[in-house]
Amino acid sequence: GQQLNQSPQSMFIQEGEDVSMNCTSSSIFNTWLWYKQEPGEGPVLLIALYKAGELTSNGRLTAQFGITRKDSFLNISASIPSDVGIYFCAGLGGSNYKLTFGKGTLLTVNP
Amino acid sequence: EAQVTQNPRYLITVTGKKLTVTCSQNMNHEYMSWYRQDPGLGLRQIYYSMNVEVTDKGDVPEGYKVSRKEKRNFPLILESPSPNQTSLYFCASSGGSVTLSEIISTQYFGPGTRLTVL
Repeated sequence: GQQLNQSPQSMFIQEGEDVSMNCTSSSIFNTWLWYKQEPGEGPVLLIALYKAGELTSNGRLTAQFGITRKDSFLNISASIPSDVGIYFCAGLGGSNYKLTFGKGTLLTVNP
Repeated sequence: EAQVTQNPRYLITVTGKKLTVTCSQNMNHEYMSWYRQDPGLGLRQIYYSMNVEVTDKGDVPEGYKVSRKEKRNFPLILESPSPNQTSLYFCASSGGSVTLSEIISTQYFGPGTRLTVL
């Protein structure tokens, strides 16, 4: 099946720093999604990308859909303590309309 | 309030004892889905449903059953649970968008059900 390689697995940063994480795949996806999951809760959609090359922002978050359709990145600028959580990428592709998730990036922000 | 609810939130059971995890949404969504989340593996889709009476297998359907008799409910059934089904389970729903990609992309996730099978 399709697989997503998400990196890094974890990050420990200081408040105010910028963060970057990415996902790559050997398969082409038609849609890339980025989710955040906080402890004890389900994932919440942050950004959805529907076109190759698309660059979309949501507040301090910026995500891009790679030109090759095989990768995507998420940037968080000026991190704050409430950014702590697990960030997942997900891709939607092919004719089966199934979401494939990356394994997540655990973000810790030190005040 | 728009929401996806799951019950129970926590369950400890024994091998072979049939159980059902309920999922309900109040947003009139067509698309519903079940995922399991395991450490280091991310979320993996178990089953999904495009609408009432329409269900299909996800990536890890073995050992699970679902039904979609009503639009709002999508129960997950474990006929004979085994320890390898110990996991955190999420139900999700979406709908109201124009394209199927947008429908699947804008899923609302429930709060999760932590299942332990001894």
